[in-house]
Amino acid sequence: GQQVMQIPQYQHVQEGEDFTTYCNSSTTLSNIQWYKQRPGGHPVFLIQLVKSGEVKKQKRLTFQFGEAKKNSSLHITATQTTDVGTYFCAGPPDSWGKLQFGAGTQVVVTP
Amino acid sequence: EAQVTQNPRYLITVTGKKLTVTCSQNMNHEYMSWYRQDPGLGLRQIYYSMNVEVTDKGDVPEGYKVSRKEKRNFPLILESPSPNQTSLYFCASSPGTGGPSRYTFGSGTRLTVV
Repeated sequence: GQQVMQIPQYQHVQEGEDFTTYCNSSTTLSNIQWYKQRPGGHPVFLIQLVKSGEVKKQKRLTFQFGEAKKNSSLHITATQTTDVGTYFCAGPPDSWGKLQFGAGTQVVVTP
Repeated sequence: EAQVTQNPRYLITVTGKKLTVTCSQNMNHEYMSWYRQDPGLGLRQIYYSMNVEVTDKGDVPEGYKVSRKEKRNFPLILESPSPNQTSLYFCASSPGTGGPSRYTFGSGTRLTVV
C-alpha cells in the first residue's frame, strides 16, 4: 500500500470551533478513504474520495481530495463532543487488498 | 445486518496458554485481515487472507497464526502468548479485488497477557 502521513497527531478543540486534519502522500493516490474510531470503539468507514479536487460533505464534516491527488483533508465545523475520536485516512489498497492506514489524528473536544 | 463479529471482546490470559480469537463476516467478503492497535503505533496488520486457503503475513506476524478454511471465518491463533502481545485486536473484511475497498471492522478484542 501507499504510505500516507497524517497531521496533526493530536488535536484539542474547544466545542464550537472548527478544525482540520490533513493526510499527505509522496505519491499520487488513486483514491483515499477516511475512517473514524470513537473512544473504546472500532474504526468505521466514513467516505472515499476518488476524483481530483473532489469535495464531499457529511453534515459538519467536509472531505477534500487535492488537485494532485497527493493529499486530503477533513474539516469539521462547529465541533461537538460527538466528534471525539481518532480519524484515520487510508491510501488505496495494494495488489493484495491491504489498506495502508495513516497514524490517525486523535481529537479531544473541550466543552 | 452486515457485520464482522469478533469474540471474545475482552480476554485476560497467562503467558504461554494458547488462545484463539474468532472472526466471522456475513458479507461474502473475499479479503479478511487482522490488525493490532497499540498507543502511538496506529493500526498494524498482522495477517491477511485474500480468499479461502490463501493467507499471508502482514507487518507484524511474529507470534501469530491464522487459518482460512471457510470464506466467512478467519481466526487468529496465539500459540504461546507473551505479555508483548497485550493489545487491542481488530478483524476487518472487504469485498476484495474488483469490488469497493472499504473495510468493515469487528468490534475489537482487548487482550491482556500476564
